Amino acid sequence: SQKIEQNSEALNIQEGKTATLTCNYTNYSPAYLQWYRQDPGRGPVFLLLIRENEKEKRKERLKVTFDTTLKQSLFHITASQPADSATYLCALVPTSGTYKYIFGTGTRLKVLA
Amino acid sequence: DTEVTQTPKHLVMGMTNKKSLKCEQHMGHRAMYWYKQKAKKPPELMFVYSYEKLSINESVPSRFSPECPNSSLLNLHLHALQPEDSALYLCASSQDRGSSHGYTFGSGTRLTVV
Repeated sequence: SQKIEQNSEALNIQEGKTATLTCNYTNYSPAYLQWYRQDPGRGPVFLLLIRENEKEKRKERLKVTFDTTLKQSLFHITASQPADSATYLCALVPTSGTYKYIFGTGTRLKVLA
Repeated sequence: DTEVTQTPKHLVMGMTNKKSLKCEQHMGHRAMYWYKQKAKKPPELMFVYSYEKLSINESVPSRFSPECPNSSLLNLHLHALQPEDSALYLCASSQDRGSSHGYTFGSGTRLTVV
Protein backbone atom coordinates (compact mmCIF):
# COMPACT_ATOMS: atom_id res chain seq x y z
CA SER A 1 0.00 0.00 0.00
CA GLN A 2 1.04 3.59 -0.43
CA LYS A 3 2.19 5.30 2.74
CA ILE A 4 3.86 8.47 3.94
CA GLU A 5 5.29 8.26 7.43
CA GLN A 6 6.93 10.85 9.59
CA ASN A 7 8.98 8.83 11.98
CA SER A 8 8.40 10.76 15.17
CA GLU A 9 4.95 11.60 16.41
CA ALA A 10 6.57 14.06 18.83
CA LEU A 11 10.04 15.54 19.14
CA ASN A 12 11.40 17.65 22.00
CA ILE A 13 14.65 19.57 21.61
CA GLN A 14 16.49 22.31 23.47
CA GLU A 15 16.44 25.86 22.19
CA GLY A 16 19.37 26.60 19.91
CA LYS A 17 19.76 23.02 18.72
CA THR A 18 18.97 21.73 15.23
CA ALA A 19 15.69 19.87 14.85
CA THR A 20 15.63 17.13 12.22
CA LEU A 21 12.32 15.70 11.07
CA THR A 22 11.97 12.72 8.74
CA CYS A 23 9.45 11.92 6.05
CA ASN A 24 9.52 8.45 4.49
CA TYR A 25 7.34 7.24 1.67
CA THR A 26 6.70 3.94 -0.06
CA ASN A 27 5.20 3.06 -3.42
CA TYR A 28 5.30 6.61 -4.77
CA SER A 29 7.47 8.33 -7.34
CA PRO A 30 6.78 11.89 -6.26
CA ALA A 31 7.25 14.79 -8.61
CA TYR A 32 7.95 16.98 -5.62
CA LEU A 33 7.62 17.08 -1.88
CA GLN A 34 6.55 19.92 0.37
CA TRP A 35 6.74 20.78 4.04
CA TYR A 36 4.06 22.62 5.99
CA ARG A 37 3.78 23.97 9.51
CA GLN A 38 0.52 23.69 11.41
CA ASP A 39 -0.34 25.37 14.69
CA PRO A 40 -3.21 24.01 16.86
CA GLY A 41 -6.62 24.84 15.40
CA ARG A 42 -5.13 26.52 12.34
CA GLY A 43 -4.60 25.55 8.73
CA PRO A 44 -1.19 24.36 7.52
CA VAL A 45 1.24 26.99 6.26
CA PHE A 46 3.47 26.21 3.28
CA LEU A 47 7.20 26.33 4.08
CA LEU A 48 9.32 24.71 1.38
CA LEU A 49 9.09 22.63 -1.77
CA ILE A 50 11.75 20.36 -3.21
CA ARG A 51 11.62 18.68 -6.60
CA GLU A 52 12.69 15.14 -7.41
CA ASN A 53 15.82 16.36 -9.23
CA GLU A 54 16.92 18.59 -6.34
CA LYS A 55 19.00 17.35 -3.44
CA GLU A 56 18.66 20.28 -1.06
CA LYS A 57 16.67 23.49 -0.56
CA ARG A 58 17.20 26.24 2.00
CA LYS A 59 15.14 29.10 3.33
CA GLU A 60 16.52 31.12 6.23
CA ARG A 61 16.90 28.63 9.12
CA LEU A 62 15.13 25.85 7.24
CA LYS A 63 16.73 23.16 5.08
CA VAL A 64 15.10 20.30 3.22
CA THR A 65 16.81 17.34 1.58
CA PHE A 66 15.27 14.80 -0.77
CA ASP A 67 16.72 11.35 -1.44
CA THR A 68 14.63 9.51 -4.02
CA THR A 69 16.77 6.39 -3.64
CA LEU A 70 16.06 6.16 0.08
CA LYS A 71 12.52 7.52 -0.49
CA GLN A 72 13.11 10.02 2.26
CA SER A 73 13.05 13.74 2.94
CA LEU A 74 14.71 15.39 5.92
CA PHE A 75 13.58 18.75 7.29
CA HIS A 76 16.02 20.70 9.45
CA ILE A 77 15.42 23.77 11.61
CA THR A 78 18.71 25.27 12.76
CA ALA A 79 19.08 27.45 15.86
CA SER A 80 15.62 26.38 16.94
CA GLN A 81 13.42 28.69 18.99
CA PRO A 82 10.36 28.07 21.19
CA ALA A 83 8.32 29.85 18.47
CA ASP A 84 9.18 26.97 16.13
CA SER A 85 7.04 24.64 18.26
CA ALA A 86 4.28 23.31 16.00
CA THR A 87 3.27 20.26 13.99
CA TYR A 88 5.21 19.82 10.77
CA LEU A 89 3.64 17.95 7.86
CA CYS A 90 5.26 16.66 4.72
CA ALA A 91 3.13 16.35 1.61
CA LEU A 92 3.97 14.79 -1.71
CA VAL A 93 2.53 14.98 -5.17
CA PRO A 94 2.67 11.64 -6.95
CA THR A 95 3.73 11.65 -10.57
CA SER A 96 0.53 9.80 -11.39
CA GLY A 97 -1.00 13.01 -12.71
CA THR A 98 -3.83 13.25 -10.23
CA TYR A 99 -2.18 16.22 -8.49
CA LYS A 100 -3.57 15.08 -5.17
CA TYR A 101 -1.38 16.19 -2.32
CA ILE A 102 -0.95 13.38 0.15
CA PHE A 103 -0.02 14.44 3.66
CA GLY A 104 2.19 12.59 6.08
CA THR A 105 1.19 11.81 9.62
CA GLY A 106 2.94 14.88 11.07
CA THR A 107 5.55 15.45 13.77
CA ARG A 108 4.77 17.61 16.81
CA LEU A 109 7.92 19.59 17.55
CA LYS A 110 8.41 21.22 20.92
CA VAL A 111 11.41 23.50 21.44
CA LEU A 112 12.24 23.84 25.11
CA ALA A 113 13.55 27.15 26.44
CA ASP B 1 -4.62 39.80 -0.47
CA THR B 2 -2.75 36.55 0.19
CA GLU B 3 -5.30 34.82 2.38
CA VAL B 4 -7.96 32.19 2.24
CA THR B 5 -10.87 33.21 4.43
CA GLN B 6 -13.19 30.61 5.90
CA THR B 7 -16.47 31.27 7.67
CA PRO B 8 -17.74 30.48 10.18
CA LYS B 9 -14.77 29.66 12.43
CA HIS B 10 -16.90 27.43 14.64
CA LEU B 11 -20.16 25.65 13.90
CA VAL B 12 -22.34 23.40 16.04
CA MET B 13 -25.15 21.67 14.23
CA GLY B 14 -27.70 18.97 14.88
CA MET B 15 -27.96 15.86 12.77
CA THR B 16 -31.10 17.15 11.05
CA ASN B 17 -29.75 20.61 10.28
CA LYS B 18 -28.59 22.04 6.97
CA LYS B 19 -25.65 24.39 7.07
CA SER B 20 -22.97 25.69 4.74
CA LEU B 21 -19.26 26.41 5.06
CA LYS B 22 -17.84 29.24 3.02
CA CYS B 23 -14.35 29.80 1.62
CA GLU B 24 -13.09 32.84 -0.25
CA GLN B 25 -9.79 33.83 -1.90
CA HIS B 26 -8.78 36.78 -4.04
CA MET B 27 -5.35 35.63 -5.17
CA GLY B 28 -6.52 34.59 -8.63
CA HIS B 29 -5.98 30.94 -7.77
CA ARG B 30 -7.82 28.60 -10.11
CA ALA B 31 -7.75 25.45 -7.97
CA MET B 32 -9.61 25.15 -4.69
CA TYR B 33 -9.86 22.27 -2.25
CA TRP B 34 -11.77 20.97 0.74
CA TYR B 35 -9.93 18.91 3.35
CA LYS B 36 -11.17 17.26 6.52
CA GLN B 37 -8.87 16.95 9.51
CA LYS B 38 -9.51 14.96 12.67
CA ALA B 39 -7.51 15.62 15.82
CA LYS B 40 -3.85 14.61 15.57
CA LYS B 41 -4.35 13.31 12.03
CA PRO B 42 -3.19 14.72 8.69
CA PRO B 43 -5.62 16.56 6.43
CA GLU B 44 -7.64 14.24 4.17
CA LEU B 45 -8.66 15.41 0.73
CA MET B 46 -12.39 15.61 0.06
CA PHE B 47 -12.89 17.63 -3.13
CA VAL B 48 -10.84 19.45 -5.76
CA TYR B 49 -12.18 22.20 -8.01
CA SER B 50 -10.15 23.27 -11.01
CA TYR B 51 -11.32 26.28 -13.01
CA GLU B 52 -14.64 26.13 -11.16
CA LYS B 53 -15.32 22.54 -12.17
CA LEU B 54 -15.28 19.58 -9.80
CA SER B 55 -12.30 17.46 -10.80
CA ILE B 56 -11.82 15.15 -7.81
CA ASN B 57 -14.34 13.72 -5.36
CA GLU B 58 -12.63 11.39 -2.92
CA SER B 59 -15.71 9.17 -2.49
CA VAL B 60 -17.18 11.62 -0.02
CA PRO B 61 -20.70 10.79 1.30
CA SER B 62 -23.50 12.73 -0.39
CA ARG B 63 -24.35 14.51 2.86
CA PHE B 64 -21.40 16.75 1.90
CA SER B 65 -22.13 18.78 -1.24
CA PRO B 66 -19.53 21.16 -2.66
CA GLU B 67 -20.27 24.17 -4.82
CA CYS B 68 -18.02 26.63 -6.63
CA PRO B 69 -20.16 29.65 -7.65
CA ASN B 70 -17.18 31.52 -9.11
CA SER B 71 -13.40 31.47 -9.16
CA SER B 72 -13.12 33.15 -5.75
CA LEU B 73 -15.73 31.24 -3.77
CA LEU B 74 -16.08 27.67 -2.59
CA ASN B 75 -18.92 26.38 -0.46
CA LEU B 76 -19.50 23.11 1.32
CA HIS B 77 -23.14 22.34 2.00
CA LEU B 78 -23.85 20.04 4.92
CA HIS B 79 -27.00 18.01 5.49
CA ALA B 80 -27.90 15.16 7.83
CA LEU B 81 -24.40 14.86 9.23
CA GLN B 82 -23.30 12.31 11.78
CA PRO B 83 -21.36 12.93 15.00
CA GLU B 84 -18.31 11.28 13.41
CA ASP B 85 -18.27 14.10 10.86
CA SER B 86 -17.12 16.45 13.61
CA ALA B 87 -13.71 17.73 12.54
CA LEU B 88 -11.74 20.75 11.33
CA TYR B 89 -12.73 21.51 7.72
CA LEU B 90 -9.99 23.22 5.78
CA CYS B 91 -10.24 25.06 2.52
CA ALA B 92 -7.15 25.61 0.40
CA SER B 93 -6.29 27.16 -2.92
CA SER B 94 -3.40 27.03 -5.37
CA GLN B 95 -2.46 28.76 -8.61
CA ASP B 96 -3.69 25.75 -10.52
CA ARG B 97 -4.24 22.08 -9.90
CA GLY B 98 -0.67 21.13 -10.60
CA SER B 99 0.92 24.10 -8.87
CA SER B 100 4.33 23.53 -7.35
CA HIS B 101 3.99 26.65 -5.21
CA GLY B 102 2.12 24.97 -2.41
CA TYR B 103 -1.34 25.44 -1.10
CA THR B 104 -2.63 28.41 0.81
CA PHE B 105 -4.88 27.13 3.55
CA GLY B 106 -7.59 28.91 5.47
CA SER B 107 -7.78 28.70 9.24
CA GLY B 108 -10.59 26.19 9.01
CA THR B 109 -14.08 25.73 10.37
CA ARG B 110 -14.31 23.69 13.57
CA LEU B 111 -17.50 21.65 13.09
CA THR B 112 -19.25 19.83 15.90
CA VAL B 113 -22.23 17.61 15.09
CA VAL B 114 -24.48 16.90 18.04
